[in-house]
Amino acid sequence: GAVVSQHPSWVICKSGTSVKIECRSLDFQATTMFWYRQFPKQSLMLMATSNEGSKATYEQGVEKDKFLINHASLTLSTLTVTSAHPEDSSFYICSARMGNQPQHFGDGTRLSIL
Amino acid sequence: AQTVTQSQPEMSVQEAETVTLSCTYDTSENNYYLFWYKQPPSRQMILVIRQEAYKQQNATENRFSVNFQKAAKSFSLKISDSQLGDTAMYFCAFMKQGGANSKLTFGKGITLSVRP
Repeated sequence: GAVVSQHPSWVICKSGTSVKIECRSLDFQATTMFWYRQFPKQSLMLMATSNEGSKATYEQGVEKDKFLINHASLTLSTLTVTSAHPEDSSFYICSARMGNQPQHFGDGTRLSIL
Repeated sequence: AQTVTQSQPEMSVQEAETVTLSCTYDTSENNYYLFWYKQPPSRQMILVIRQEAYKQQNATENRFSVNFQKAAKSFSLKISDSQLGDTAMYFCAFMKQGGANSKLTFGKGITLSVRP
């Protein structure tokens, strides 16, 4: 079945650094990719939607300069958390979709900012 | 805008028993999809079952089945012969059909515990 690979699975870094998370579709072309944030015991909150070669569409309240999204190819999207601070600590999940096919999710990235 | 409501935050079921998880939604769309996702402690999101709104027949996947009531905007998940591995958070989700940017709207989720 379709596989989405997300890397890294866990990252710990100092406050003020930038962190990049990669999301790859391994066996299909992802025309659309999504980035979510999830707090413990809560639902997934959509941060942004990106189409290959286009600028990402951010949800209301999500800072686009803070969370940089690049979808440069049909198999790769990246989320960069710039100048990360402890309040950015969370679980980030990407998902990818080809056309109107079901979305497939990555395994998530646990981000801890010290 | 669409909303998905899962009003029960937690449920518990004895192993081998049957449990039903509730979900209601609100939309003015006529063509859409409904989903149930499972998120075990590993936090991987796993698609359990999918239903197209235009299909009257309820979707089934092995021990998992849905009761889709379009007029009532209800989409419950029944898990038969519950297993310990079914312990997870379960999310109901809605997506309108068509459009490259159609996106999933999730409910708040329900934590299901299967007791041995």
